[in-house]
Amino acid sequence: VQLVESGGGLVQPGGSLRLSCVASGFTFSDYWMSWVRQAPGMGLEWVANIKQDGSVKYYVNSVKGRFTISRDNTKKSVYLQMDSLRAEDTAVYYCVRAIAAIDSDWGQGTLVTVSS
Amino acid sequence: QSVLTQPPSVSAAPGQKVTISCSGSSSNIGNNYVFWYQHLPGTAPKLLIYDNTERPSGIPDRFSGSKSGTSATLGITGLQTGDEADYYCGSWDNSLSAIIFGGGTKLTVL
Repeated sequence: VQLVESGGGLVQPGGSLRLSCVASGFTFSDYWMSWVRQAPGMGLEWVANIKQDGSVKYYVNSVKGRFTISRDNTKKSVYLQMDSLRAEDTAVYYCVRAIAAIDSDWGQGTLVTVSS
Repeated sequence: QSVLTQPPSVSAAPGQKVTISCSGSSSNIGNNYVFWYQHLPGTAPKLLIYDNTERPSGIPDRFSGSKSGTSATLGITGLQTGDEADYYCGSWDNSLSAIIFGGGTKLTVL
């Protein structure tokens, strides 16, 4: 099983970034997928998740209306479109399979820095 | 401030036992499963406990989980220096329609 995130980087406040996570080693379309972040010196914070077929999505309140989670099962990929970024969105963002189940797996994370 | 409350830190000597508490409410722990993660700096978090008490394969039985009402507890016996890490509880919250984590507990093995 492998989850590889990309798309992180430095962006100015108010800007946008799109994170991608490519999965391998398992049947991607069988799993809920999540994004979880950790800000510098802070704890883990779940950001969003998406059902196997993309029909159900949930978000933490602080990103509702700004972030959009999506997936493409043909490409075994999940995405996080982040708009109207704020300094408090600065964090390492992890792609996660089945966050609370026996076969949970995490990527290594991608760093997003929001700063002018 | 996290919806799930954990002590900021705990400590114990090698070989001893430690427990980490996680307090919530009826909208989360009281009516949903609890999971626990171990997080070492610079690495991906590792799932220790799911469905309140279950361990994934490869997790030693030194780690145990329990739940009572709106609280949960992670127990670690036979402490090793390699257990020094941050530990997080988590659950689904019905009111928020969100997965929530506790604030994390830093374990120090003296």
